[in-house]
Amino acid sequence: SFELTQPSSVSVSPGQTARITCSGDVLAKKHVRWFQQKPGQAPALVMYRDTERPPGIPDRFFGSSSGTTVTLTVSGAQFEDEADYFCYSAADNRGVFGGGTKLTVL
Amino acid sequence: EVQVLQSGGGKVQPGGSLRLSCTASGFTFSDYVMTWVRQAPGKGLEWVSAISGSGDITYYADSVKGRFTISRDNFENTLYLQMSSLGADDTAVYYCVPNMDYWGQGTLVTVSS
Repeated sequence: SFELTQPSSVSVSPGQTARITCSGDVLAKKHVRWFQQKPGQAPALVMYRDTERPPGIPDRFFGSSSGTTVTLTVSGAQFEDEADYFCYSAADNRGVFGGGTKLTVL
Repeated sequence: EVQVLQSGGGKVQPGGSLRLSCTASGFTFSDYVMTWVRQAPGKGLEWVSAISGSGDITYYADSVKGRFTISRDNFENTLYLQMSSLGADDTAVYYCVPNMDYWGQGTLVTVSS
């Protein structure tokens, strides 16, 4: 099976740029989805196919990919962006989530 | 508008069984792969199982293989997860996720005596 690795935490001040990475060998050939989860809520999709933003997601969320690392960038982070972020990919007949990154905006 | 409504959670004793249901609307149900994802208290997300649109192909995480069965009724737009031989490690909020895009509200399964 494969693994996806994320930093456990990222902290930024309001208005700064936050970058959350997701690494794994499988990402050289598979796409990633990113999910945002706020306390007490179900996760919500914020990025798919590495770089595609679903309708309604602010354009300060940006996705990029290079080799075996995919990055979710939040430009000009706001207090409301504080949440847990999980990357996800599927291969070999199974899905896998990264361990999650807690984004703190303070 | 996509809506995903889950039911069937609750408390069950170790070794017991439980069936979760998920009814979805707002899209052509049979077109979508349906997935179950769970989240243990204070932990991250764990992919559990998925089923093809037609229902003829199923996938399971090693942690649940042989104990859980995923199925769907495309006439009733409903997804199921039959869980048996439940243990404490299965305690989690279970989410139904159509196409890995839309998330249900989640249903809590607690395995405890």
